[in-house]
Amino acid sequence: GESVGLHLPTLSVQEGDNSIINCAYSNSASDYFIWYKQESGKGPQFIIDIRSNMDKRQGQRVTVLLNKTVKHLSLQIAATQPGDSAVYFCAVLNQAGTALIFGKGTTLSVSS
Amino acid sequence: GAVVSQHPSRVICKSGTSVKIECRSLDFQATTMFWYRQFPKQSLMLMATSNEGSKATYEQGVEKDKFLINHASLTLSTLTVTSAHPEDSSFYICSARDRANYYEQYFGPGTRLTVT
Repeated sequence: GESVGLHLPTLSVQEGDNSIINCAYSNSASDYFIWYKQESGKGPQFIIDIRSNMDKRQGQRVTVLLNKTVKHLSLQIAATQPGDSAVYFCAVLNQAGTALIFGKGTTLSVSS
Repeated sequence: GAVVSQHPSRVICKSGTSVKIECRSLDFQATTMFWYRQFPKQSLMLMATSNEGSKATYEQGVEKDKFLINHASLTLSTLTVTSAHPEDSSFYICSARDRANYYEQYFGPGTRLTVT
């Protein structure tokens, strides 16, 4: 079946550094990818998304990169702040296009 | 922006009882809503997909008779955990897909269920 994996379960950075969180997916036909941020005790919060017809998309302080050749997705956060500390999930729309499959999550810790 | 609410935010119930969790899309119509379960320090696992006016589609391994889902209107879906057991204790999160935009999916704040 389809799966979404993660490279690192935790990431610790200093305030002001750039953070990179990686994700791998299994289905080469996947069309839509999303990054979510989840703070403790809360629901996931949308960060940024990308369709398969794009390689890169930028938002405010965040960039998502998609490498379809190796089925790899990354989230870059520029000038990381303590408020960015949370668990970050990548999610992929399933093959049927009906639901999201979530990766395991990376816990980002930002120290000041 | 699109807002999804859940009620209650926290609930404690005794083993054997049933508890209902509501999920509402406040400012948009959601033809499809999703229910997820999340155990501590784990990812979100999709339990079921519900479409307004029809029966929910459950993921493999999820007991449909235990987790009753009703999606009676374009803004409300409910999840009822029947005959709850301590192992049902978890964080339940719903999401709603905007009728106007297939790819947009908004998450609720979650409901913490504790079964004693």
